[in-house]
Amino acid sequence: GESVGLHLPTLSVQEGDNSIINCAYSNSASDYFIWYKQESGKGPQFIIDIRSNMDKRQGQRVTVLLNKTVKHLSLQIAATQPGDSAVYFCAENRGTGRRALTFGSGTRLQVQP
Amino acid sequence: GAVVSQHPSRVICKSGTSVKIECRSLDFQATTMFWYRQFPKQSLMLMATSNEGSKATYEQGVEKDKFLINHASLTLSTLTVTSAHPEDSSFYICSALAGGGETQYFGPGTRLLVL
Repeated sequence: GESVGLHLPTLSVQEGDNSIINCAYSNSASDYFIWYKQESGKGPQFIIDIRSNMDKRQGQRVTVLLNKTVKHLSLQIAATQPGDSAVYFCAENRGTGRRALTFGSGTRLQVQP
Repeated sequence: GAVVSQHPSRVICKSGTSVKIECRSLDFQATTMFWYRQFPKQSLMLMATSNEGSKATYEQGVEKDKFLINHASLTLSTLTVTSAHPEDSSFYICSALAGGGETQYFGPGTRLLVL
């Protein structure tokens, strides 16, 4: 079936560097995408979202880029901090008006001090 | 705002018993809540969509008679794992939609261990 997946299972960066986490999706009907951060033993925490009519959206230290042509989503974290260490999931809805989400497999971000 | 709680945070039970997990939206009304299951080092898998006042919609492969969902009010959904077995041990997470929005806000999760 259609799914959302990630290229890198683990990403290790130095504190202060920028991080880029990538995600590929396959459901062309999806029109809403979200990035979540999950720390060990906790529920996912909303980071940023983007609709399919946009290709870029910025938040505080985070930017999400959407390339619908190649069905690719990325999360950029500026000046990565130790507190950013967690597993990051991309998620997509299942089409217009469908609120259920499909989650990608996750990328673990490790920030080295 | 948009805080979701779960109770209990962790539970250990014997095989064959039933366990109820509560999901509450604390500062907003949620007509729709979702239940997910997450095994170690894996992603979240949607189990069912819970709609206030109506029957839950289950994902393919999820047994509705084993995972009973009740969404009795706009702030509470419960998941009951009936006749739990060791293979049901997992991290169960709920989420809720605030109003007419699309952003799902997640609870802290419930760790279930079935002995």
